[in-house]
Amino acid sequence: DADVTQTPRNRITKTGKRIMLECSQTKGHDRMYWYRQDPGLGLRLIYYSFDVKDINKGEISDGYSVSRQAQAKFSLSLESAIPNQTALYFCATSDSVAGASYNEQFFGPGTRLTVL
Amino acid sequence: AQKITQTQPGMFVQEKEAVTLDCTYDTSDPSYGLFWYKQPSSGEMIFLIYQGSYDQQNATEGRYSLNFQKARKSANLVISASQLGDSAMYFCAMSDGANSKLTFGKGITLSVRP
Repeated sequence: DADVTQTPRNRITKTGKRIMLECSQTKGHDRMYWYRQDPGLGLRLIYYSFDVKDINKGEISDGYSVSRQAQAKFSLSLESAIPNQTALYFCATSDSVAGASYNEQFFGPGTRLTVL
Repeated sequence: AQKITQTQPGMFVQEKEAVTLDCTYDTSDPSYGLFWYKQPSSGEMIFLIYQGSYDQQNATEGRYSLNFQKARKSANLVISASQLGDSAMYFCAMSDGANSKLTFGKGITLSVRP
């Protein structure tokens, strides 16, 4: 079974609809992240959470909200979807080992969202 | 603010040859990390290699090595003995001193020719 799962994997929705993308992980990591990928722009950080009570905005948080329901679950919501939110969305997790040389981020398989 | 620059157009390499993918970065943090990820056509993000700003030696992982030139602020990925399965998009990324969130470059497409 995958360590980081995302649901749905593909979604087509209409402008103005509310949509939620879900991320679950079994790695026991404290830190979780949401990125979006657009062609030619790489991945950009939307929101991140270092624990259940810690939520932070990333580079492009406008139009998005998140919820950290538990250590293992981090959801991304689009309250009123618009076409330029069409993108590939990735959830990622990382550990927070003090003194570690690095804490690798593990990515989910991605959710391809199309807003018509 | 951190910035990653990947400006190479699509790269082509012959199978079994080596290829270098360029990455330059900018940051005011003395402590940072540099990562390379591979994204094949299936879409998943695969971690390849990491270099810390204080590491004295260049990182290596199998056929991957990172040519870290701190004064030039460059962190180029070298893939030796290219294989057809290396055809993918490659992203350079940087973490801040807390090794938390990543800033990505725009990516480079690599095509390996048989």
